[in-house]
Amino acid sequence: ETGVTQTPRHLVMGMTNKKSLKCEQHLGHNAMYWYKQSAKKPLELMFVYNFKEQTENNSVPSRFSPECPNSSHLFLHLHTLQPEDSALYLCASSQVASGGETQYFGPGTRLLVL
Amino acid sequence: AQKITQTQPGMFVQEKEAVTLDCTYDTSDQSYGLFWYKQPSSGEMIFLIYQGSYDEQNATEGRYSLNFQKARKSANLVISASQLGDSAMYFCAMRGTFGIQGAQKLVFGQGTRLTINP
Repeated sequence: ETGVTQTPRHLVMGMTNKKSLKCEQHLGHNAMYWYKQSAKKPLELMFVYNFKEQTENNSVPSRFSPECPNSSHLFLHLHTLQPEDSALYLCASSQVASGGETQYFGPGTRLLVL
Repeated sequence: AQKITQTQPGMFVQEKEAVTLDCTYDTSDQSYGLFWYKQPSSGEMIFLIYQGSYDEQNATEGRYSLNFQKARKSANLVISASQLGDSAMYFCAMRGTFGIQGAQKLVFGQGTRLTINP
């Protein structure tokens, strides 16, 4: 599946910068997710949007702010990040059904915070 | 809470050999789903195969098959006739549940780095 795109693919930012990550899915799905993948740690769920409504905030610091204007687009706004926020940020989408739905991932944004 | 354990940090296999990647899980749910994803160095998580807890037969997708042993809570991935392009990180994941109906999060294991040698 290549139906989920993410931009930018790479991002370097200082701790005082403000930037945004963008995710777009072309699969007609109704749920979108942000995951964080740090070195030597399992993928961690950050946020879930189901039918544009945020249904999960997995204790993510407020310096990460998600936005889901419609079921095809998902943003992650970043401000005053810390070096430990450097990671691969993955977006995924799925079609919520009675169960067994598969999440399809984008290529990720590699973020480096200096 | 769901938990996934992958005990093999790395594996080295000769090309054309079959390889089994181990995955054990822990859950108190009666209904759950198990997934395998492949992550090349480019970073994208590629969906490989899915097994539902009530599926009576092991899932197969081309060269991939899932050896599902419910009583032992294991869901090992078998790759037949390995190829150089199979070199990547492989993650086992379980569909967790939220308290409400709707989108469900995935819980991932630590992953296994598979290297196929020519």
